[in-house]
Amino acid sequence: DTAVSQTPKYLVTQMGNDKSIKCEQNLGHDTMYWYKQDSKKFLKIMFSYNNKELIINETVPNRFSPKSPDKAHLNLHINSLELGDSAVYFCASSEDRGNSPLHFGNGTRLTVT
Amino acid sequence: AQSVTQLGSHVSVSEGALVLLRCNYSSSVPPYLFWYVQYPNQGLQLLLKYTSAATLVKGINGFEAEFKKSETSFHLTKPSAHMSDAAEYFCAVRPLGASKIIFGSGTRLSIRP
Repeated sequence: DTAVSQTPKYLVTQMGNDKSIKCEQNLGHDTMYWYKQDSKKFLKIMFSYNNKELIINETVPNRFSPKSPDKAHLNLHINSLELGDSAVYFCASSEDRGNSPLHFGNGTRLTVT
Repeated sequence: AQSVTQLGSHVSVSEGALVLLRCNYSSSVPPYLFWYVQYPNQGLQLLLKYTSAATLVKGINGFEAEFKKSETSFHLTKPSAHMSDAAEYFCAVRPLGASKIIFGSGTRLSIRP
């Protein structure tokens, strides 16, 4: 009965490959997010969808493309992976209002070699 | 732009000692405020969130935070540290009317036996 689940947990791949990370939430939230956490633990928002509509698109290379088939799912596809893409990617969801907190998945550790 | 600053990237206290983790936000209008904890290889969990109902907010695991508008602060405290409190702690803000939550750079809490 995991609230926010993302797969895979670990992803090791070579430069130039294309990979996807999947996320699903069963909390009934309207809004989902992708955050990137670098090696210094800094968390930066990448994208956010509200009910399948893109509402936040931070300065992210266009090699990164989110897709939300429905409000319970938000996937992240990355083309032409680079060494600098190595990080932990977190999916999160929330009700889109005021003091509603984020609920996080356990993260996907991406290593690009 | 709204931001949040955590003073001290690393705090070390003895078991049983007071824990104080500092957080300041930059806004004349108080945003929505949160504290999260991240244990190794896990996602972020909500510790507590500020609501305008009270300036002292109690969270899980014995943590609490005090909102001080005059100091634009939302420091996190715990009277007596436990070994299990060792983790990374993040202060976060959601600006009024915004969808995204912005995280501070995090403070790593170590507990000495």
